[in-house]
Amino acid sequence: ETGVTQSPTHLIKTRGQQVTLRCSSQSGHNTVSWYQQALGQGPQFIFQYYREEENGRGNFPPRFSGLQFPNYSSELNVNALELDDSALYLCASSAGYQETQYFGPGTRLLVL
Amino acid sequence: DAKTTQPTSMDCAEGRAANLPCNHSTISGNEYVYWYRQIHSQGPQYIIHGLKNNETNEMASLIITEDRKSSTLILPHATLRDTAVYYCIVVDYGQNFVFGPGTRLSVLP
Repeated sequence: ETGVTQSPTHLIKTRGQQVTLRCSSQSGHNTVSWYQQALGQGPQFIFQYYREEENGRGNFPPRFSGLQFPNYSSELNVNALELDDSALYLCASSAGYQETQYFGPGTRLLVL
Repeated sequence: DAKTTQPTSMDCAEGRAANLPCNHSTISGNEYVYWYRQIHSQGPQYIIHGLKNNETNEMASLIITEDRKSSTLILPHATLRDTAVYYCIVVDYGQNFVFGPGTRLSVLP
């Protein structure tokens, strides 16, 4: 059984650019949640996708958007990057929106 | 805001039991207690969760007080590889995880 995978592992962008991060959910999981983790802090919930529909959103601006595909993989898109967007971005998949979440290794984004 | 309070840091000697406390005095009847850990910039790893009863798996034991206002995660024989930040999270089914700063556990040789 393959766990949650994320790509790329590291990414460097400049302020104002756009970025797309990808997540493949664990086999049998239909729900993906995205988190942002700044250095020294706990992960902060961005949004969740359940069966291709957004199923909850945290306190993040609209320039953070997402998508879930029919195979339940997911993308996180961030437009107009700001320096404060530098963080570890984590995705977690679960067998349903009420079930235990299993995290991927994360993508580390640096905005210069 | 996180609904839990944890000590900022703890030390434990290798081979001894590590007991990590968590206070969740405002927990409601339908809320579960989850524990995750994060080893230096990796993704958080699920450890265990429970509602009312104590739980045990191959990684740890979870002891929840009868009033459910606090819990303790027990790693029975800590090793150096258990050095990590441990997060205690209270969540209702269907709700989203709210992480606090967690407890930084250092296992010392």
